[in-house]
Amino acid sequence: GAVVSQHPSWVICKSGTSVKIECRSLDFQATTMFWYRQFPKQSLMLMATSNEGSKATYEQGVEKDKFLINHASLTLSTLTVTSAHPEDSSFYICSASAGGVETQYFGPGTRLLVL
Amino acid sequence: GQNIDQPTEMTATEGAIVQINCTYQTSGFNGLFWYQQHAGEAPTFLSYNVLDGLEEKGRFSSFLSRSKGYSYLLLKELQMKDSASYLCAVRVQAGTALIFGKGTTLSVSS
Repeated sequence: GAVVSQHPSWVICKSGTSVKIECRSLDFQATTMFWYRQFPKQSLMLMATSNEGSKATYEQGVEKDKFLINHASLTLSTLTVTSAHPEDSSFYICSASAGGVETQYFGPGTRLLVL
Repeated sequence: GQNIDQPTEMTATEGAIVQINCTYQTSGFNGLFWYQQHAGEAPTFLSYNVLDGLEEKGRFSSFLSRSKGYSYLLLKELQMKDSASYLCAVRVQAGTALIFGKGTTLSVSS
């Protein structure tokens, strides 16, 4: 199957700092990437849909100015958590779709801990 | 709104068969997915159904009835490594994100 990578896998930061998470599709071009967040013992919640070359579409309740998404190429999308706070501590997972492909492929996830 | 329901927890013994049910009420339907997720890891794809019927893939099978808004994941010859969370997800429209249920935590004991 297709491979999606995320970097970093773990990040610990101080409150108020910004953190950038990269999501890459390694062996296919992803016209669309999705960013999810998962809190402990809960399911994946969609944060935003990222389309190459256009603005991301955010789900209700997700602050677009706090969670900046850039999808500059067909293989890379980045999520920047600006001015992170402890409540932003979570497991962030991206998935990628090539459009017309039946399934979405998930990255390994990034665990963020804000102190 | 979109609603996907599945049991919270299930237990089974090694070698047994277990069926995890999922019901959904969504504004549209473009496929139902099952993923396996081990603690602290990202989900891995198990199966995809878009037409009614049974899809078999090794020890895992998935069934879909669109008229009933119902699916199940069948796991045969259970192994300890099958202990994980199983996520049911629906894609409402082609090209859009998956909507996930809360997941079913399966514990397999010897």
